[in-house]
Amino acid sequence: DGGITQSPKYLFRKEGQNVTLSCEQNLNHDAMYWYRQDPGQGLRLIYYSQIVNDFQKGDIAEGYSVSREKKESFPLTVTSAQKNPTAFYLCASSMTGTDTQYFGPGTRLTVL
Amino acid sequence: AQSVSQHNHHVILSEAASLELGCNYSYGGTVNLFWYVQYPGQHLQLLLKYFSGDPLVKGIKGFEAEFIKSKFSFNLRKPSVQWSDTAEYFCAVSAPGGYNKLIFGAGTRLAVHP
Repeated sequence: DGGITQSPKYLFRKEGQNVTLSCEQNLNHDAMYWYRQDPGQGLRLIYYSQIVNDFQKGDIAEGYSVSREKKESFPLTVTSAQKNPTAFYLCASSMTGTDTQYFGPGTRLTVL
Repeated sequence: AQSVSQHNHHVILSEAASLELGCNYSYGGTVNLFWYVQYPGQHLQLLLKYFSGDPLVKGIKGFEAEFIKSKFSFNLRKPSVQWSDTAEYFCAVSAPGGYNKLIFGAGTRLAVHP
């Protein structure tokens, strides 16, 4: 069953802690993306990666980091430098050369 | 910089009413346009897309959208909504050569009452 999986579904962390969100896809897509969704603001791009071992900052990359060591995986780390990390995080992927993105179910992060 | 504006943040309709959700974008060149939908508790999924050709695009579940280049608009329509259309709707735009990045609008939350 092809698709994008994100784990965990809900995540709680204390202030000052780093936390890593998982994103895996078995669609054989080259490109992967991380978005943050806040009420009334739509989706904002954090990082994206077109190929393995390469990634670029999106519009709101400060306080976040990513890696792309495997085609299937694009984990996002929310660092303690992120001032307002409580949000819903969505991962997406797409085939090279196309704009149509497919989304995972999301991870809701709450900082206590 | 590109931006997308969705005029209505919340829309409340009764079943069988007609729906039109506005979307305007700011970019002077060729664009690709999308509508995504997020049903309660479900993944964000593609409703329809426009790349080129016929400016009237038909999507899933009876939705359609019309691209009007002169107005920089891509409004979503449905002649008769159902309770199951209750969801949040997002308009998005990408520009060729932009590494397939999508710029999303703020979203419109639609509630359909039986």
